[in-house]
Amino acid sequence: KAGVTQTPRYLIKTRGQQVTLSCSPISGHRSVSWYQQTPGQGLQFLFEYFSETQRNKGNFPGRFSGRQFSNSRSEMNVSTLELGDSALYLCASSLVAWAETQYFGPGTRLLVL
Amino acid sequence: ELKVEQNPLFLSMQEGKNYTIYCNYSTTSDRLYWYRQDPGKSLESLFVLLSNGAVKQEGRLMASLDTKARLSTLHITAAVHDLSATYFCAVDNGKLIFGTGTRLQVFP
Repeated sequence: KAGVTQTPRYLIKTRGQQVTLSCSPISGHRSVSWYQQTPGQGLQFLFEYFSETQRNKGNFPGRFSGRQFSNSRSEMNVSTLELGDSALYLCASSLVAWAETQYFGPGTRLLVL
Repeated sequence: ELKVEQNPLFLSMQEGKNYTIYCNYSTTSDRLYWYRQDPGKSLESLFVLLSNGAVKQEGRLMASLDTKARLSTLHITAAVHDLSATYFCAVDNGKLIFGTGTRLQVFP
């Protein structure tokens, strides 16, 4: 069974631009969560989607948004990029929102110049 | 607000030695996770601990949970170089809150 896939794997943007990251969960998984990892702040929860509905949201500004499609694929969008948005963005999927185990994708490394 | 603290932040240990990584959290939770991350890679799930007194072992790693003390430990037995990585604990309170991570380096 294929794992969680994220595209693109690497991305370079400039300040003020916007970016969209994509996550395809494991087949059959309906819950997708997003995390940001930076050297300074560590791993931080962004948001979680289940059956196309946002169930939970972390403490990030409104520039960070996401959505989930009917096939459970998810996208996150960051508008008006700032230097501090440079990070590894990880997506994780699970069967259902309350499942015991989340499976993480390889991540998208975003560099904002 | 739930806080998760790990210590030590950095651990350099000789092969064959034993050591323990500690994870303290500030509020009650039903689930505690341990993950491993290799440099430049994603997170690999190691253990899920669901109840007080839970103990799980895989190879040279053993994790335990004391919900009353709000403490989990990850014990490394007879370390080998392949265990070099960063280890994170995470507590589930509706969303995963991660600890700061412990960077483990095992040298000959």
